Amino acid sequence: DAGITQSPRHKVTETGTPVTLRCHQTENHRYMYWYRQDPGHGLRLIHYSYGVKDTDKGEVSDGYSVSRSKTEDFLLTLESATSSQTSVYFCATRPKDRAYEQYFGPGTRLTVT
Amino acid sequence: GQQVMQIPQYQHVQEGEDFTTYCNSSTTLSNIQWYKQRPGGHPVFLIQLVKSGEVKKQKRLTFQFGEAKKNSSLHITATQTTDVGTYFCAGSLNYGQNFVFGPGTRLSVLP
Repeated sequence: DAGITQSPRHKVTETGTPVTLRCHQTENHRYMYWYRQDPGHGLRLIHYSYGVKDTDKGEVSDGYSVSRSKTEDFLLTLESATSSQTSVYFCATRPKDRAYEQYFGPGTRLTVT
Repeated sequence: GQQVMQIPQYQHVQEGEDFTTYCNSSTTLSNIQWYKQRPGGHPVFLIQLVKSGEVKKQKRLTFQFGEAKKNSSLHITATQTTDVGTYFCAGSLNYGQNFVFGPGTRLSVLP
């Protein structure tokens, strides 16, 4: 597996609080992705990045923002967490030279009460 | 928008039986990938298919991409308990940067 870490691995927070999840990679991969996984929905793309400071929205981006100031770090922020954002969040990376294979991090389980 | 469906949602098999999961897209895909996720784990890449009608094999796993590039299948011969997990397909349009994942098929193998 590629060197992808996510922090925190588990978090419980209250509705209305801001939350930031971090994805860190050591492989110098160009592309980075944030997905959420919910039962019956598979993996849904929230935001992705195709380079430093280059990001774009995925299919479920409402309520989320991202930032990528360094190649190795991709941050996902929930500005004001809601219960509907309770989910497992996966970060993934993709190296430019390996075409389309994605490497996933271990995931962050977020519970919004 | 692009939609990717998978059937069945769940499959329970006896060890040694075969298993097949099907993936269908509402639009023509440029390529399709398959991933496996063990319980409590993260998705792990299995394979990518690009050509119309392509068939690839990995030991007991056979992957197929439809002629119209709108459907795909994964077949496991003689399942083992190590095959337990959820299998996802993920399709891309125009070799784009993004993939749309299907909801997955959860496989249980009874010893």
